[in-house]
Amino acid sequence: DTGVSQNPRHKITKRGQNVTFRCDPISEHNRLYWYRQTLGQGPEFLTYFQNEAQLEKSRLLSDRFSAERPKGSFSTLEIQRTEQGDSAMYLCASSLSGGNTEAFFGQGTRLTVV
Amino acid sequence: GQQVMQIPQYQHVQEGEDFTTYCNSSTTLSNIQWYKQRPGGHPVFLIQLVKSGEVKKQKRLTFQFGEAKKNSSLHITATQTTDVGTYFCAALEYGNKLVFGAGTILRVKS
Repeated sequence: DTGVSQNPRHKITKRGQNVTFRCDPISEHNRLYWYRQTLGQGPEFLTYFQNEAQLEKSRLLSDRFSAERPKGSFSTLEIQRTEQGDSAMYLCASSLSGGNTEAFFGQGTRLTVV
Repeated sequence: GQQVMQIPQYQHVQEGEDFTTYCNSSTTLSNIQWYKQRPGGHPVFLIQLVKSGEVKKQKRLTFQFGEAKKNSSLHITATQTTDVGTYFCAALEYGNKLVFGAGTILRVKS
């Protein structure tokens, strides 16, 4: 296993278009997280899954954002009707459940909305 | 939810000098994690602190968790150019989701 994988690495889109990102976690990890990071800030939590169940969504996640993890393995994050304010690095992380475990981050998808 | 404040925002040191970043919370933390993000890279886990007053060392890095579990620090002794990057503290919340500080950017001049 080579770690958490995210695709694409970069995405440039026009305002109003829909985009979808994919995350492949470490195979034995049952928890998967999405974070968003803007320049000069730490990652901000968006949502997380335990297996296929989406257990929590941040208030940061507007109705234009939807995430899925249909078989409890890979996950997708879709942003509909993108806005310039959506430009950011979208990071995926995975971990085991239970207390006190480290998160393994992917390389991220950098989204630029023009 | 929890918030963690991190200072300083930025530090530029001469190679060989020491470096410290501090993390503070207004609420008691169950535990705290530290991550390093290299320029253009992604956050990489360094350590987790759980116990009040805990001190852990990794080579030149020393991590401390305050007695009241409201603050933490990372100290690097004799910085090297390989230490450059942004250091984040993160509080662990229910579900193992992380609340990150804004990070401290470390630049090392050789």
